[in-house]
Amino acid sequence: QQQVKQSPQSLIVQKGGISIINCAYENTAFDYFPWYQQFPGKGPALLIAIRPDVSEKKEGRFTISFNKSAKQFSLHIMDSQPGDSATYFCAAAIPHNTDKLIFGTGTRLQVFP
Amino acid sequence: KAGVTQTPRYLIKTRGQQVTLSCSPISGHRSVSWYQQTPGQGLQFLFEYFSETQRNKGNFPGRFSGRQFSNSRSEMNVSTLELGDSALYLCASSFVGADTGELFFGEGSRLTVL
Repeated sequence: QQQVKQSPQSLIVQKGGISIINCAYENTAFDYFPWYQQFPGKGPALLIAIRPDVSEKKEGRFTISFNKSAKQFSLHIMDSQPGDSATYFCAAAIPHNTDKLIFGTGTRLQVFP
Repeated sequence: KAGVTQTPRYLIKTRGQQVTLSCSPISGHRSVSWYQQTPGQGLQFLFEYFSETQRNKGNFPGRFSGRQFSNSRSEMNVSTLELGDSALYLCASSFVGADTGELFFGEGSRLTVL
C-alpha cells in the first residue's frame, strides 16, 4: 500500500514532442505528490509538486495532472527539449511527513533533436 | 547559498567493513534525510533527523544507522558491509515549516562493496 507505481520505465521523444509519465498510488493518506528530475551524476531536484486539492498544476512547460478518484497523477512535458533528457521520479508523502518520500521507480527520458 | 554537501563522493570497501558518510545541509535547514539509490530498488528512504533526533526510519536493517549533530550536519554509518549495500547514498535537507515540502539533495556518495 506504500508503493508508487511509475510508467514507462523509459521514454524516447523527439524534440518538440510531448512527454508523458504516469504514476499510480494506493495509499489514500498521501497528500503531497512531487516530481523530481535527476541528471547523471547529480542528486534529484524538485521539478513541480501538487496537493490533492487541485487537479492540475502548470509551471512553464511542465504540468502535473492529478486524478484523485483514480489515484493517479501524471507529468506532461510540453515542447520537450534535449536538455530535458534525464530520469524523472514521481513521489508521494503523507501529511506532515514530506521528508519521507515514497518514490516511483523512475523514467529515463531521452529527447532527440 | 551553498547546496547540500556530501563526502566522500566515491568510496570502495570490502565485505564486512564499515563505512561512515557525511552530509552538510544547506545553511538554515534543520532536517536531514538519507536515501539509498540502486538501479533495482530505486530511491528508498533510510531515515530522517531533526534537531539531533531521528524522526522517521525506513525499512532497513539495524546495520544502517545515523546521527545528527547540533550544527545539523549528519552522518550515516553502515556496519558489516554486504555486496548489496553497493549504492548511491543521497542526503537531502529541508527547511522545516516550509509549505513547499521541497527536499534539496546532495550529489551523493557512491559506495562500492567488493
